[in-house]
Amino acid sequence: DQQVKQNSPSLRVQEGRISILNCDYTNSMFDYFLWYKKYPAEGPTFLISISSIKDKNEDGRFTVFLNKSAKHLSLHIVPSQPGDSAVYFCAASVRETSGSRLTFGEGTQLTVNP
Amino acid sequence: EAQVTQNPRYLITVTGKKLTVTCSQNMNHEYMSWYRQDPGLGLRQIYYSMNVEVTDKGDVPEGYKVSRKEKRNFPLILESPSPNQTSLYFCASSLSWDGRDTQYFGPGTRLTVL
Repeated sequence: DQQVKQNSPSLRVQEGRISILNCDYTNSMFDYFLWYKKYPAEGPTFLISISSIKDKNEDGRFTVFLNKSAKHLSLHIVPSQPGDSAVYFCAASVRETSGSRLTFGEGTQLTVNP
Repeated sequence: EAQVTQNPRYLITVTGKKLTVTCSQNMNHEYMSWYRQDPGLGLRQIYYSMNVEVTDKGDVPEGYKVSRKEKRNFPLILESPSPNQTSLYFCASSLSWDGRDTQYFGPGTRLTVL
């Protein structure tokens, strides 16, 4: 049962345009959401996060939007740059008695063409 | 430099031959975790540890063992590897088990079981 889903395996955009990566979740108990970026032959690195009590968080060219009623979040990258080409993972966290559990989506391969 | 290291980076082995993948972090983090990445499935948690001598199962623990005898090390043990354990493995650490803490990932270990 995939609780966090990224339905688009890949996305291609032109340099300078907006990239929008989407993520849907099913568990209403998730209280924190994160995006990680992964380059080939490297481990994922943290990009941006948002608490469930907010609907938007911005950090430079990256903005994450959260729509709790739709159980949907998205990552906007504006303007996109070739160096943004990577796999992006959406992740969600829920607090349990034994600690927080992090559930990842399948990932979306973003390619930004020069 | 703050980092998570994994060894080996690449490993080809045969069914049934016990192996250990080491993981070490130099950030004095309490929380450590192992993930496997498979095409179309994203990152799935195998085991995690909230502190020394405290470990627990993640989503896909079958066929794996872990130990946490020291804070900095969290080895992943495959007692009798099988071909379905062919995957890309990542170790991660964070300051605490709070899902809001950024997880720092190692560079990955690509394992092939023949």
